[in-house]
Amino acid sequence: KQEVTQIPAALSVPEGENLVLNCSFTDSAIYNLQWFRQDPGKGLTSLLLIQSSQREQTSGRLNASLDKSSGRSTLYIAASQPGDSATYLCAGGFSGGYNKLIFGAGTRLAVHP
Amino acid sequence: DGGITQSPKYLFRKEGQNVTLSCEQNLNHDAMYWYRQDPGQGLRLIYYSQIVNDFQKGDIAEGYSVSREKKESFPLTVTSAQKNPTAFYLCASSIGLREVNTGELFFGEGSRLTVL
Repeated sequence: KQEVTQIPAALSVPEGENLVLNCSFTDSAIYNLQWFRQDPGKGLTSLLLIQSSQREQTSGRLNASLDKSSGRSTLYIAASQPGDSATYLCAGGFSGGYNKLIFGAGTRLAVHP
Repeated sequence: DGGITQSPKYLFRKEGQNVTLSCEQNLNHDAMYWYRQDPGQGLRLIYYSQIVNDFQKGDIAEGYSVSREKKESFPLTVTSAQKNPTAFYLCASSIGLREVNTGELFFGEGSRLTVL
């Protein structure tokens, strides 16, 4: 069974800290992995998409990596700010003939001043 | 601006009633999806559509129905057969449905349905 797990479920850090969010998956036949941000009561905003042929993607203070052999992806946030407070979800796209995305439950991040 | 519009944002339903959630996109995407989100859980796929007049059941399709009469529209009906419909519903789209051309998944702002 394909599963995506995010640990921890919640994280609280002081402003300015560099942090890493973790995402693990059980099926190495992953063709892409996407990281999203969700603010309370809102939809999901795409942050980064990594294809299976890539090892990482960067956008501003965000860097996401993908390691298929270990079944892990990480989202690195540099110099965290209070505005980064949100829930971060990862979703793996697995081979199945269509865009079958499996979502993790998310990590709720709080960055305090 | 291109994007996905969901309406209504909040919806209240009495037991036994059917309700329809609207989803419109102007991204010219072929593939559209409906997800359900419950507190503390990941998103679960209800239905997806690759092209006009074609749609497939996802993991939790029971009690739901959809239509795809136009490329830009993918409404979801929550029927009275859905036993626990209170949830946050999210519509999404991507360029394509097949693995090689999905691209990023884009989401609407969601619709929160509450059963009274």
